[in-house]
Amino acid sequence: DVKVTQSSRYLVKRTGEKVFLECVQDMDHENMFWYRQDPGLGLRLIYFSYDVKMKEKGDIPEGYSVSREKKERFSLILESASTNQTSMYLCASSLGLWTPAVYEQYFGPGTRLTVT
Amino acid sequence: LAKTTQPISMDSYEGQEVNITCSHNNIATNDYITWYQQFPSQGPRFIIQGYKTKVTNEVASLFIPADRKSSTLSLPRVSLSDTAVYYCLVGQNSNYQLIWGAGTKLIIKP
Repeated sequence: DVKVTQSSRYLVKRTGEKVFLECVQDMDHENMFWYRQDPGLGLRLIYFSYDVKMKEKGDIPEGYSVSREKKERFSLILESASTNQTSMYLCASSLGLWTPAVYEQYFGPGTRLTVT
Repeated sequence: LAKTTQPISMDSYEGQEVNITCSHNNIATNDYITWYQQFPSQGPRFIIQGYKTKVTNEVASLFIPADRKSSTLSLPRVSLSDTAVYYCLVGQNSNYQLIWGAGTKLIIKP
Protein backbone atom coordinates (compact mmCIF):
# COMPACT_ATOMS: atom_id res chain seq x y z
CA ASP A 1 0.00 0.00 0.00
CA VAL A 2 1.21 3.46 -0.88
CA LYS A 3 1.68 5.58 2.15
CA VAL A 4 1.90 9.33 2.13
CA THR A 5 2.57 10.87 5.50
CA GLN A 6 2.45 14.51 6.54
CA SER A 7 4.39 15.83 9.48
CA SER A 8 1.46 17.27 11.43
CA ARG A 9 -2.32 16.85 11.44
CA TYR A 10 -2.90 20.21 13.11
CA LEU A 11 -0.67 23.25 13.29
CA VAL A 12 -1.19 26.71 14.77
CA LYS A 13 1.19 29.50 13.80
CA ARG A 14 1.36 33.24 14.20
CA THR A 15 1.25 35.79 11.41
CA GLY A 16 4.72 36.39 9.99
CA GLU A 17 6.19 33.06 11.10
CA LYS A 18 8.01 30.82 8.65
CA VAL A 19 6.15 27.52 8.38
CA PHE A 20 7.39 24.19 7.07
CA LEU A 21 5.02 21.41 6.06
CA GLU A 22 6.69 18.10 5.36
CA CYS A 23 5.47 15.23 3.23
CA VAL A 24 7.02 11.79 2.75
CA GLN A 25 5.96 8.99 0.39
CA ASP A 26 7.23 5.44 0.47
CA MET A 27 6.43 4.18 -3.05
CA ASP A 28 9.28 5.68 -5.07
CA HIS A 29 6.85 7.95 -6.93
CA GLU A 30 8.33 10.52 -9.28
CA ASN A 31 5.62 13.13 -8.82
CA MET A 32 4.64 14.95 -5.67
CA PHE A 33 2.03 17.65 -5.21
CA TRP A 34 0.92 20.22 -2.66
CA TYR A 35 -2.71 21.36 -2.57
CA ARG A 36 -4.77 23.52 -0.35
CA GLN A 37 -8.40 22.72 0.25
CA ASP A 38 -10.98 25.30 1.32
CA PRO A 39 -14.74 24.88 1.67
CA GLY A 40 -16.55 25.37 -1.62
CA LEU A 41 -13.30 25.71 -3.59
CA GLY A 42 -12.23 22.09 -3.83
CA LEU A 43 -8.54 21.35 -4.28
CA ARG A 44 -6.21 24.00 -5.62
CA LEU A 45 -2.72 23.07 -6.73
CA ILE A 46 0.06 25.10 -5.15
CA TYR A 47 3.18 23.40 -6.53
CA PHE A 48 4.20 20.09 -7.94
CA SER A 49 7.48 18.33 -8.54
CA TYR A 50 8.19 15.64 -11.13
CA ASP A 51 11.73 14.88 -10.03
CA VAL A 52 14.27 15.66 -7.34
CA LYS A 53 15.12 19.35 -7.30
CA MET A 54 12.47 20.04 -9.96
CA LYS A 55 9.39 22.12 -9.24
CA GLU A 56 6.55 23.66 -11.18
CA LYS A 57 4.10 26.31 -10.08
CA GLY A 58 0.50 25.33 -9.80
CA ASP A 59 -2.54 27.58 -9.78
CA ILE A 60 -1.86 29.46 -6.54
CA PRO A 61 1.91 29.57 -5.81
CA GLU A 62 2.00 33.09 -4.38
CA GLY A 63 3.21 33.15 -0.80
CA TYR A 64 4.57 29.60 -0.96
CA SER A 65 7.77 27.87 -1.93
CA VAL A 66 8.77 24.21 -2.07
CA SER A 67 11.82 22.03 -1.70
CA ARG A 68 12.52 18.53 -2.95
CA GLU A 69 16.01 17.42 -2.05
CA LYS A 70 15.17 13.72 -1.92
CA LYS A 71 12.76 11.74 -4.06
CA GLU A 72 10.57 10.68 -1.15
CA ARG A 73 10.26 14.07 0.54
CA PHE A 74 8.50 17.25 -0.59
CA SER A 75 8.33 20.28 1.66
CA LEU A 76 5.98 23.25 1.47
CA ILE A 77 7.25 26.50 2.94
CA LEU A 78 5.24 29.53 3.92
CA GLU A 79 7.89 32.23 4.08
CA SER A 80 5.77 34.62 6.15
CA ALA A 81 2.47 33.09 7.18
CA SER A 82 -0.66 35.20 6.83
CA THR A 83 -4.20 34.64 8.06
CA ASN A 84 -5.44 33.99 4.52
CA GLN A 85 -3.21 30.93 4.43
CA THR A 86 -5.32 29.25 7.09
CA SER A 87 -6.45 26.11 5.30
CA MET A 88 -6.20 22.35 4.95
CA TYR A 89 -3.00 21.39 3.14
CA LEU A 90 -2.85 18.09 1.29
CA CYS A 91 0.19 16.36 -0.13
CA ALA A 92 -0.05 13.74 -2.88
CA SER A 93 2.22 11.58 -4.98
CA SER A 94 1.91 9.67 -8.25
CA LEU A 95 3.92 7.68 -10.74
CA GLY A 96 5.40 8.87 -14.01
CA LEU A 97 4.87 12.14 -15.82
CA TRP A 98 4.24 11.01 -19.37
CA THR A 99 1.49 8.51 -18.58
CA PRO A 100 -2.09 8.70 -17.23
CA ALA A 101 -0.74 7.36 -13.94
CA VAL A 102 0.20 10.93 -13.11
CA TYR A 103 -3.50 11.55 -12.40
CA GLU A 104 -3.83 8.56 -10.04
CA GLN A 105 -2.68 10.42 -6.99
CA TYR A 106 -2.22 9.08 -3.48
CA PHE A 107 -2.97 11.62 -0.79
CA GLY A 108 -1.77 12.12 2.73
CA PRO A 109 -4.23 12.80 5.59
CA GLY A 110 -3.74 16.56 5.43
CA THR A 111 -2.46 19.26 7.76
CA ARG A 112 -4.97 21.75 9.08
CA LEU A 113 -3.02 24.97 9.46
CA THR A 114 -4.39 27.89 11.43
CA VAL A 115 -2.58 31.22 11.25
CA THR A 116 -3.54 33.68 13.97
CA LEU B 1 -8.97 26.46 -20.82
CA ALA B 2 -11.05 23.54 -19.56
CA LYS B 3 -13.34 23.98 -16.57
CA THR B 4 -15.18 21.34 -14.57
CA THR B 5 -18.61 21.71 -12.99
CA GLN B 6 -20.27 19.30 -10.56
CA PRO B 7 -23.47 19.47 -8.52
CA ILE B 8 -22.76 20.77 -5.03
CA SER B 9 -24.73 18.03 -3.32
CA MET B 10 -26.89 14.98 -3.91
CA ASP B 11 -28.71 12.52 -1.75
CA SER B 12 -29.98 9.03 -2.27
CA TYR B 13 -30.99 5.91 -0.38
CA GLU B 14 -29.21 2.71 0.46
CA GLY B 15 -29.38 0.13 -2.32
CA GLN B 16 -29.91 2.68 -5.09
CA GLU B 17 -27.63 3.39 -8.00
CA VAL B 18 -26.16 6.88 -7.86
CA ASN B 19 -24.90 8.82 -10.85
CA ILE B 20 -22.78 11.95 -10.39
CA THR B 21 -22.08 14.00 -13.49
CA CYS B 22 -19.15 16.29 -14.13
CA SER B 23 -19.36 18.79 -16.99
CA HIS B 24 -16.11 19.67 -18.68
CA ASN B 25 -15.87 21.79 -21.82
CA ASN B 26 -12.80 22.20 -24.04
CA ILE B 27 -11.13 18.92 -23.23
CA ALA B 28 -8.94 17.19 -25.77
CA THR B 29 -9.52 13.68 -27.08
CA ASN B 30 -6.72 12.23 -24.97
CA ASP B 31 -7.40 14.12 -21.74
CA TYR B 32 -8.13 11.81 -18.83
CA ILE B 33 -11.02 12.00 -16.38
CA THR B 34 -10.38 10.73 -12.88
CA TRP B 35 -12.73 10.51 -9.90
CA TYR B 36 -11.84 10.64 -6.23
CA GLN B 37 -13.73 10.02 -3.00
CA GLN B 38 -13.03 11.93 0.19
CA PHE B 39 -14.21 11.20 3.72
CA PRO B 40 -13.99 13.80 6.50
CA SER B 41 -10.51 14.23 7.96
CA GLN B 42 -8.92 12.16 5.18
CA GLY B 43 -7.24 12.89 1.89
CA PRO B 44 -9.04 12.05 -1.36
CA ARG B 45 -8.86 8.46 -2.57
CA PHE B 46 -8.68 7.39 -6.23
CA ILE B 47 -11.82 5.61 -7.50
CA ILE B 48 -11.65 5.30 -11.27
CA GLN B 49 -10.10 6.79 -14.40
CA GLY B 50 -10.81 6.80 -18.14
CA TYR B 51 -10.74 8.88 -21.30
CA LYS B 52 -13.49 7.39 -23.49
CA THR B 53 -16.64 5.25 -23.51
CA LYS B 54 -16.96 3.15 -20.37
CA VAL B 55 -14.64 1.91 -17.66
CA THR B 56 -15.69 -0.38 -14.83
CA ASN B 57 -13.89 -1.59 -11.75
CA GLU B 58 -14.96 -3.33 -8.56
CA VAL B 59 -16.45 -0.19 -6.99
CA ALA B 60 -17.71 2.08 -9.80
CA SER B 61 -18.25 2.73 -13.48
CA LEU B 62 -17.27 5.75 -15.48
CA PHE B 63 -19.23 6.76 -18.57
CA ILE B 64 -17.81 9.23 -21.06
CA PRO B 65 -20.03 10.09 -24.07
CA ALA B 66 -18.61 10.62 -27.52
CA ASP B 67 -18.72 14.41 -27.28
CA ARG B 68 -16.68 14.23 -24.04
CA LYS B 69 -18.39 17.32 -22.65
CA SER B 70 -19.30 15.44 -19.50
CA SER B 71 -18.58 12.27 -17.62
CA THR B 72 -20.68 10.30 -15.15
CA LEU B 73 -19.50 8.37 -12.14
CA SER B 74 -21.90 5.54 -11.36
CA LEU B 75 -21.97 3.91 -7.93
CA PRO B 76 -24.07 0.71 -7.91
CA ARG B 77 -26.18 -0.16 -4.86
CA VAL B 78 -24.83 2.48 -2.49
CA SER B 79 -24.58 2.01 1.24
CA LEU B 80 -24.32 4.47 4.14
CA SER B 81 -20.53 4.21 3.93
CA ASP B 82 -20.59 5.82 0.47
CA THR B 83 -21.52 9.13 2.08
CA ALA B 84 -18.57 11.31 1.07
CA VAL B 85 -17.47 14.12 -1.21
CA TYR B 86 -16.70 13.08 -4.79
CA TYR B 87 -14.33 15.03 -7.01
CA CYS B 88 -13.76 14.84 -10.73
CA LEU B 89 -10.39 15.72 -12.16
CA VAL B 90 -9.59 16.46 -15.79
CA GLY B 91 -5.96 15.85 -16.62
CA GLN B 92 -4.83 17.73 -19.70
CA ASN B 93 -2.10 15.69 -21.35
CA SER B 94 -0.91 18.57 -23.50
CA ASN B 95 0.54 20.35 -20.50
CA TYR B 96 -0.31 18.10 -17.52
CA GLN B 97 -2.63 20.75 -16.16
CA LEU B 98 -4.95 19.49 -13.44
CA ILE B 99 -8.52 20.80 -13.51
CA TRP B 100 -10.39 19.79 -10.36
CA GLY B 101 -14.11 20.05 -9.82
CA ALA B 102 -15.34 21.68 -6.61
CA GLY B 103 -16.74 18.39 -5.35
CA THR B 104 -20.17 16.82 -4.88
CA LYS B 105 -21.29 16.01 -1.36
CA LEU B 106 -23.21 12.73 -1.55
CA ILE B 107 -25.43 11.81 1.39
CA ILE B 108 -26.86 8.30 1.56
CA LYS B 109 -29.92 7.82 3.73
CA PRO B 110 -31.14 4.57 5.30
